[in-house]
This record gives sequence, C-alpha cells and structure tokens, in this order.
Amino acid sequence: SQKIEQNSEALNIQEGKTATLTCNYTNYSPAYLQWYRQDPGRGPVFLLLIRENEKEKRKERLKVTFDTTLKQSLFHITASQPADSATYLCALDPSGGYNKLIFGAGTRLAVHP
Amino acid sequence: NAGVTQTPKFRVLKTGQSMTLLCAQDMNHEYMYWYRQDPGMGLRLIHYSVGEGTTAKGEVPDGYNVSRLKKQNFLLGLESAAPSQTSVYFCASRDSTGGEHGYTFGSGTRLTVV
Repeated sequence: SQKIEQNSEALNIQEGKTATLTCNYTNYSPAYLQWYRQDPGRGPVFLLLIRENEKEKRKERLKVTFDTTLKQSLFHITASQPADSATYLCALDPSGGYNKLIFGAGTRLAVHP
Repeated sequence: NAGVTQTPKFRVLKTGQSMTLLCAQDMNHEYMYWYRQDPGMGLRLIHYSVGEGTTAKGEVPDGYNVSRLKKQNFLLGLESAAPSQTSVYFCASRDSTGGEHGYTFGSGTRLTVV
C-alpha cells in the first residue's frame, strides 16, 4: 500500500543542536516533496520544496535532502532554538504533479533551552 | 492581506444537522482544497478545486459536498453530520505555478458532532 511515514514519537533536543526529522514513503514516485511547519491550533505553513533531481536544498537554518532510491527525505534545523518547537509535516503529490498533496502525520519537535 | 480565511472557527453540531464551512482567499489562487486533520492520521484530502466552477473528490469525500461558484470562495457542506466527522478542517489554496510557494492554509475550523 502507499504511505508516508514520519516518526510519531516527539523529538527532544537541546538548544543549539541540529534537529533531524525523517520522512519515508512507499509505493510513490513523487516528482517533489514539501515540508511544512504546524503550530498548535494553527494551519500548516509551507517551508521548503525539493524536487526529485535536487539532492539538497537550503533556506537559512533549514536543509532538506531527497533520496529517491531510499525513498526518504531528511529535514534538518541547525542551531535549533526553542522557537523552532512545532510539528513538522512532509507532503507529496502521488501523481507527480501539484494538484493533490498527501501528508504524513508529522513529527513533533521540542527544543529545550 | 488576510490570505486564507475560514469561518466559523468552532462549531458544535448534533448528529443529523447540516452546516456549511466557508473558505475565502484573497490571493487570486486558482486551486483550493479542503482537508481534515485527526490525531495521529495527518491531513486527509476531502475535495479540491482546480478553478472556478470545478470540483473533484479527494481521499475521503463521503459525507461532504463542495461548491466553487466564485474563484475566491470554496464551501464545504455537511448534509447530515455524523460523530465520525468530528475533526479539525483546514482549507488551503495555491497559485498555478509549479509549487514553489507551497499551499497556503487557513487557521482551521474545529467541528464537534455530538
């Protein structure tokens, strides 16, 4: 069956360290993958998109990798801050287009001072 | 610049009642979506629209109807609410380019069906 898997357990890290979150997918061949941030009681906010022909993408303290062989994307936050605490969602469109995003359940990140 | 606005923010319905959730966007986006979010299950696509006057089914369309009479509005209707429809509903929109800007989400409607 097709599915997107993110670690359901919360990730707890110390301020200043690098947080790494994982998104694995099975039986999809997406042309791209997106990452979103969601705070409690709020809607998701778009962070980054990485295409299948891009190995890595960066935006300020964020870095995303995309390995189509492993069917995995890694999301890194360097020099993490308590303000980075949130749930992070990965998403892809099974058709390879942009019409219908399918989301993982998300991983909650807690950054402690 | 409000982005995506959802009304109402909270609602309690009795089983069998009907209601309409309104989504409005002021970004001139072509594409609009309705998702529901349940604990541990992530966001699931209910219906979506690729333009004014068009709608299509997503993953979990049963029990819901939608309409896109105006480009800026996307309505989600529940004709006969059931407890299984207790959820947080999110509307989203995106432009017609190649996805670089992602989806813009509203702040959600928390619906409880008793």
